[in-house]
Amino acid sequence: QVQLQESGPGLVKPSETLSLTCAVSGYSITSGYYWGWIRQPPGKGLEWIGSIYHSGSTYYNPSLKSRVTISVDTSKNQFSLKLSSVTAADTAVYYCARRPQTGAAGGTFDIWGQGTMLTVSS
Amino acid sequence: EIVMTQSPATLSVSPGERATLSCRASQSVSSNLAWYQQKPGQAPRLLIYGASTRATGIPARFSGSGSGTEFTLTISSLQSEDFAVYYCQQYNNWPLSTFGQGTRLEIK
Repeated sequence: QVQLQESGPGLVKPSETLSLTCAVSGYSITSGYYWGWIRQPPGKGLEWIGSIYHSGSTYYNPSLKSRVTISVDTSKNQFSLKLSSVTAADTAVYYCARRPQTGAAGGTFDIWGQGTMLTVSS
Repeated sequence: EIVMTQSPATLSVSPGERATLSCRASQSVSSNLAWYQQKPGQAPRLLIYGASTRATGIPARFSGSGSGTEFTLTISSLQSEDFAVYYCQQYNNWPLSTFGQGTRLEIK
């Protein structure tokens, strides 16, 4: 079955760049679907960060667009998130998820990783 | 940006009773509305898409309704495993997307 697994440093200093990776198993990224990142600050709701297609086409949340880069590595069947100039407000659980593009569920996030906690602190 | 507003923030219901959760969009999202369930320490799980279609494996006691700006998630005969936080998500302005702030469903 399709599984997603996030990985990252756990702790990042203010003003630095956050880097996370999502490894996909049980499905080839090049077979279709968009792939996305969503985050959840402690005790708060969900925020869509951005999405990428295997071709490299990307879409970002306008509120984060200036600081976000999402890329894909089809050879490793994974995609990555970089968020620059982080502050304490970027402390959150970061989830990666699969996002259907077409069909009745197109636009939803149908399969999620377990999430990885990222803390911004000096 | 389309703002999604969920109500109430917290809903207390007894097991076996019905729960009704609401989600309102700041502008029409047609039927491009999904519901997710999130339990503590877990990732969200897709319950409903297209406002009313249950995702694979979701029990029939979960139902969604609405279109345009007003949506409802109904859980009939609450089971112990249903107590969680529920989020709505609009995906009408693909590829952009926004979530509601969530409704916590707790045991009364």
